[in-house]
Amino acid sequence: AQSVTQLDSQVPVFEEAPVELRCNYSSSVSVYLFWYVQYPNQGLQLLLKYLSGSTLVESINGFEAEFNKSQTSFHLRKPSVHISDTAEYFCAVSYPAGGTSYGKLTFGQGTILTVHP
Amino acid sequence: EAGVAQSPRYKIIEKRQSVAFWCNPISGHATLYWYQQILGQGPKLLIQFQNNGVVDDSQLPKDRFSAERLKGVDSTLKIQPAKLEDSAVYLCASSQSHGAFFGQGTRLTVV
Repeated sequence: AQSVTQLDSQVPVFEEAPVELRCNYSSSVSVYLFWYVQYPNQGLQLLLKYLSGSTLVESINGFEAEFNKSQTSFHLRKPSVHISDTAEYFCAVSYPAGGTSYGKLTFGQGTILTVHP
Repeated sequence: EAGVAQSPRYKIIEKRQSVAFWCNPISGHATLYWYQQILGQGPKLLIQFQNNGVVDDSQLPKDRFSAERLKGVDSTLKIQPAKLEDSAVYLCASSQSHGAFFGQGTRLTVV
């Protein structure tokens, strides 16, 4: 069974500073990787995903994540954060193959990013 | 394109009462999920449907929770009777492939 560990429960940063939210996963088979963002009282929104190809994936609002197979990590980074990036971020994995687990997302515990002015 | 619709947004009930949540997925999405998100935790899958068939309900507490997906479109999740520990946000999601789209969720408070 796969599992996801987000290493920081809370990350406070100042506006315009860089940030990294860490995510490690455990799986005996290849997985697909996702980052979701959740604003207060909202559902989860897909931020970016890695399915195959380039190990560096980017979102439309400046976030990027790099898949590192040897370290089983998928850390999320942004070079300069804004107040509006304040939210909870979830890392998730799913199985690419068929079977009953196909498409099912397994989430980490979440990281609350707070951007201070 | 309309997103995943859920209702109600908020519900407060007393323990031992019953409650039902409704979900309308994105049109054409064959896969539908119900997740439970307890405060401070990541979402946990309760049940996964493919069209109107159940793919995975291994984490669904079947003594009190039930779910159905009629005609492979809308879905309802029911809790009967509710316990205090059922207080959580219940998220519905749908997908065509990998990477699901989520509704805004129903926040359930059991008192």
